[in-house]
Amino acid sequence: DQQVKQNSPSLSVQEGRFSILNCDYTNSMFDYFLWYKKYPAEGPTFLISISSIKDKNEDGRFTVFLNKSAKHLSLHIVPSQPGDSAVYFCAANNQGAQKLVFGQGTRLTINP
Amino acid sequence: DTGVSQNPRHKITKRGQNVTFRCDPISEHNRLYWYRQTLGQGPEFLTYFQNEAQLEKSRLLSDRFSAERPKGSFSTLEIQRTEQGDSAMYLCASSLVGTSNQPQHFGDGTRLSIL
Repeated sequence: DQQVKQNSPSLSVQEGRFSILNCDYTNSMFDYFLWYKKYPAEGPTFLISISSIKDKNEDGRFTVFLNKSAKHLSLHIVPSQPGDSAVYFCAANNQGAQKLVFGQGTRLTINP
Repeated sequence: DTGVSQNPRHKITKRGQNVTFRCDPISEHNRLYWYRQTLGQGPEFLTYFQNEAQLEKSRLLSDRFSAERPKGSFSTLEIQRTEQGDSAMYLCASSLVGTSNQPQHFGDGTRLSIL
């Protein structure tokens, strides 16, 4: 039972353009959502998070949007830079449980 | 700021041997988590500690797996009688306990290869 899904295994974007990564979830109890970035041979690095009481959170070039009715969140990166090339994971949990539930990841490639 | 540290980075062993991994969390973090990641998948939760108490274990954590955090600082994850299916990246994370949600911060993992 995949509670968090990232349906696009890969995405290729031109440098300087918008990157939009998508994530869907099924568990309506989730109330905290996070995005992590992972380079090869390194652990996931925390990027940005959003609580279910908000629908948008912004940090520099990164913005996360949450649509609770659609059980959907997205990560927007603008402008995209070559260093953004990595695998991106969305994750979720509810405050009653400490474990994070991860999606399968999306490999983002930024082309010069 | 020292991040989460995991040792060793790589471990190669024969099937049936025991292995132990160590995790040193960020110093002020009182929650510590173990995850396992296989190729093409996201990390999967194994267990977590708050201080020295192990508060939750996944059903993925079979009887061959044991985790400890004896003094509420570093943690060890032991796998006994390793099997081919144990080959994976084992990730440790830590976080603060707070009044609001706190992100988990991950180490670089220990890659286990079973021959």
